[in-house]
This record gives sequence, C-alpha cells and structure tokens, in this order.
Amino acid sequence: DQQVKQNSPSLSVQEGRISILNCDYTNSMFDYFLWYKKYPAEGPTFLISISSIKDKNEDGRFTVFLNKSAKHLSLHIVPSQPGDSAVYFCAASKWGAQKLVFGQGTRLTINP
Amino acid sequence: DTAVSQTPKYLVTQMGNDKSIKCEQNLGHDTMYWYKQDSKKFLKIMFSYNNKELIINETVPNRFSPKSPDKAHLNLHINSLELGDSAVYFCASSLPGQGDMDTQYFGPGTRLTVL
Repeated sequence: DQQVKQNSPSLSVQEGRISILNCDYTNSMFDYFLWYKKYPAEGPTFLISISSIKDKNEDGRFTVFLNKSAKHLSLHIVPSQPGDSAVYFCAASKWGAQKLVFGQGTRLTINP
Repeated sequence: DTAVSQTPKYLVTQMGNDKSIKCEQNLGHDTMYWYKQDSKKFLKIMFSYNNKELIINETVPNRFSPKSPDKAHLNLHINSLELGDSAVYFCASSLPGQGDMDTQYFGPGTRLTVL
C-alpha cells in the first residue's frame, strides 16, 4: 500500500526554466509534508516542508504547494540550475508521529 | 563537521554472517531512526529511538536489533544475514517538539551487499 506516490520517475528541464515535481498521497491523516534531495552515494538532504495549515511555503528558489482536497503537493524550482540535478523524494507524516512515509523519488536532470 | 555519520559506508559479507552498522549524530537530537532503501529505491522506516527507548518498530525481522547506548548513537546489528537484506541503510535524527518536529536529517548511508 503505497501511501505517497511520485508518478514521474524522471524529469528533464532546461537550465533557467521552472522544474515542477509532483507528489500524491492517499492518507488523509498526513498533515506535514517534506521534500528531500538526494545525490548519488549520499543521504537525503532536507529541502523544504509544509504543514497542512498552509497551502504554500517558499524558500529562495524552492516553493512547495499543497492542495489538501486533491491530496497533492508539488515542488517548484525556479530558475533551475545544473546543481539541482538529483533525485527528489516527497515525504509525509502525521504531526508528531515521528515517522516519515516516502515516495519513490523523481530523478531531475537539468540540461545546460 | 558531519551532522549524521555512519560507518561503514560499504559492507560486503556472506550469507549467514552477523554484522553491525554504526550511526552517530552531533546535532543534539534526541530521536534517531533507521531506514532501508531497497532495490526499488523505496525508503522505508525500520526503527526509531527516542532518548535510548524504542518507539517505532515497523515489523522488521528480529534478526535486526537496534541498540542505542546514548541519545547520540543508534547502531544496527543484523544476525544471520540473508540475500534480501542487501540494500542501502540510512540513519537519521530529529528533534521532536522543536519547530519542524518531523524534519529528519539523514546520514550518508551504508550499502550492504550480502553474497
């Protein structure tokens, strides 16, 4: 039972354009969502998060949008840079449960 | 100054052996976790410890035994290794109750290969 899904295994974007990564979840109890970035042979690195009381959170080039009614969140990166090439994981949690449920990741490639 | 560190980074061993993976964090966090990333790249939680006490055990076989000597360390011992144990194991830590309570910080991973 995959409660968090990233349906696009890969995404290719031109440098300077916007990258949009998508994530869907099925468990309506989730109320805290995170995005992690992972380079090869390294651990996931925390990028940005959002709680269910918000529908948008922004940090520099990264913005996460949450649509609770659709159980969907997205990560926007603008402008995309070559260093953004990595695997991006979406994760969800029930606040305070201290247990993250991850999607299967989307490999983002930024082309020069 | 690494925040969450794991040793070893790579571990190759024979079926039936017993092995340990060590994890240490210097973030002052009081909750630590072990995750397994399988061949399909899913990251799934195995255990979490808070102040040396087990709080989550996700029906992991009892061949896996986490040990937390103090809140900065969480080691994973695996008995009688099987082929299916081959995976990348990640340690993580967090500080629940402070700001973004479920934000977890990960170590670099240990790639375990069982032959």
